Formats: sequence, C-alpha cells, structure tokens
Amino acid sequence: KQEVTQIPAALSVPEGENLVLNCSFTDSAIYNLQWFRQDPGKGLTSLLLIQSSQREQTSGRLNASLDKSSGRSTLYIAASQPGDSATYLCAVVLKPQYSSASKIIFGSGTRLSIRP
Amino acid sequence: DARVTQTPRDKVTEMGQEVTMRCQPILGHNTVFWYRQTMKQGLELLAYFRNRAPLDDSGMPKDRFSAEMPDATLATLKIQPSEPRDSAVYFCASGGQGGAYNEQFFGPGTRLTVL
Repeated sequence: KQEVTQIPAALSVPEGENLVLNCSFTDSAIYNLQWFRQDPGKGLTSLLLIQSSQREQTSGRLNASLDKSSGRSTLYIAASQPGDSATYLCAVVLKPQYSSASKIIFGSGTRLSIRP
Repeated sequence: DARVTQTPRDKVTEMGQEVTMRCQPILGHNTVFWYRQTMKQGLELLAYFRNRAPLDDSGMPKDRFSAEMPDATLATLKIQPSEPRDSAVYFCASGGQGGAYNEQFFGPGTRLTVL
C-alpha cells in the first residue's frame, strides 16, 4: 500500500533562509508528484508538478526534485519570506495494478512558518 | 478568471439531513475530483470523474454518499443522511484532458458541520 510521508510536520525558520521540505513515498511506480501550498482556511494552490520521467521542476524561488528509485521528493525554497508561511503538501499519482483508475495519495503536510 | 468554484462555502446542518455540495470546474477541464479534509485523516480522495463518467469512487462511503456530474459545468456531492462524523472540509478540484495525470486546481472548499 502506497504511503506518503512528510517530515517534519512543522518547521520554523528566520526570513531569508533557504530551506528544504521532504516528501517520501513507499511505491516508486508513480506517474507524477505534485506540490501544493495551503493557507489557513483556504483551498490548495498548485506549486509544481513533476512527471515520473522528470528529475526536477522550477518556478521562481521554488525547485522541486524527484528521485523515484529512493522514493523521495524535495521542495527547495530559496530566500524564504514571511509570505511563504503555509502548509505544504505533496501528492503522488499511481496506477494500481488491476484497475483502470489512478490513485492519488496525499501526504499530511509540513506546516512552515517564516519568522520576520 | 479561471477558478474552481464551490457552493456553499459553509454549511451547518442537523444529523440525518441531506446535504448537497456543488462544484463548477474550470471551463474546459474534463476531470473533477472530490476530496475530504479532516485534522485526523488529512486529505482523502473520495471520487473523481473524467468526461462526466465516474472513474474511481472507492474512497467514498457508498451507503450515504453519492457524486454526479449532471453536465460538464456542474459536479455535485450529496450526503444522505448526514452524520456528525461527516463534518469536514470538502474540496473539489479540476484538471485537464490527462485526468489524474494532469495538474489539479482546487476550489476554496465547503466547510460542513453536522450537529
């Protein structure tokens, strides 16, 4: 059974620091992995989508990497700002062996706080 | 302005009542997902549709939950009868032609409280 883990559950860093968020998954047979941010009381905002054939994706100060063989993805945030404070979730899409429907599994998220 | 919209944003109801949540996907998106988020379980996929046909509803309690897409611009999630344990935030998301393999765009959610 696919499990998606995000450690740590919470992280607090001073403004300006570069930081890395982690996402681990147990089944390497994934189609893609997506990173989201969620602000309190809001829906999820898509940040980056990495297809299984890709190693990384970049958008502005964000860089996401994917290593399927080790079952890991990282989200790198450069020069963090207070506005980056949110919960960050990763989700993997995989296709079960005997089904035509893909499964989508979310991690429990890392709550990030950037101190001014 | 391409966004997923959901109504109502908040719903408080009594146990046993029927609840209907609505979602309007982004125009042109043919995949719609329904999720439920609670503190205890996190974000769980309930069901998703592609081209209005259900692809997977294995995450949904079938005895009381039902999901439909009457047309390409409307998806509904119904709970009948509702129970206190159904209290959660329900999110709808939509995606493009690639179904679950494409980027997902989430709505603002419906916060459901069942008393």
